[in-house]
Amino acid sequence: DTAVSQTPKYLVTQMGNDKSIKCEQNLGHDTMYWYKQDSKKFLKIMFSYNNKELIINETVPNRFSPKSPDKAHLNLHINSLELGDSAVYFCASSQVGGNEQFFGPGTRLTVL
Amino acid sequence: SQQGEEDPQALSIQEGENATMNCSYKTSINNLQWYRQNSGRGLVHLILIRSNEREKHSGRLRVTLDTSKKSSSLLITASRAADTASYFCASTAEGTYKYIFGTGTRLKVLA
Repeated sequence: DTAVSQTPKYLVTQMGNDKSIKCEQNLGHDTMYWYKQDSKKFLKIMFSYNNKELIINETVPNRFSPKSPDKAHLNLHINSLELGDSAVYFCASSQVGGNEQFFGPGTRLTVL
Repeated sequence: SQQGEEDPQALSIQEGENATMNCSYKTSINNLQWYRQNSGRGLVHLILIRSNEREKHSGRLRVTLDTSKKSSSLLITASRAADTASYFCASTAEGTYKYIFGTGTRLKVLA
């Protein structure tokens, strides 16, 4: 009965590979987000979807592509992984944009 | 950088003492929220204060907001070892769904 779940929890991969992180929320929320938390714990929004529509797209390399097949899912695909992509990626959701967010447990991505 | 600023960066106190952390932001906001992050976990929402509110309480938490100074503070009273975590403020810019997080305060409560 986890509210916001992400898979995988850990991801270790080589530079140049393509990988995906999946996120699902069972809260019935309309808005979902992807965040990147770097080694200094800075948390930065990457993307936000509202009812499957992209509403926030920060200055993120176009190697990162979010996909929302339905409003309960927001996946993140990353092409041609680079060392600097190593971070913890968090998915979150909220009933309405700008209100309380519920975060997933995070995916620790390590690029070697 | 749009990153909000928090201070102190780190705070170490004894159990039973109060902990105060401060947050400053840069734009006009809809609301400001505080989140807690335990080591290796996701963020957990603590409290939300709207731009037309000045103070809000929730249990041992007290949040103030000064929109003229673009700042907020979080007070945790009678701290417990279980309060040990990182605390982040997040402001929602007016007219957007965008959350801008502060740099975080690492709180350590010693038993």
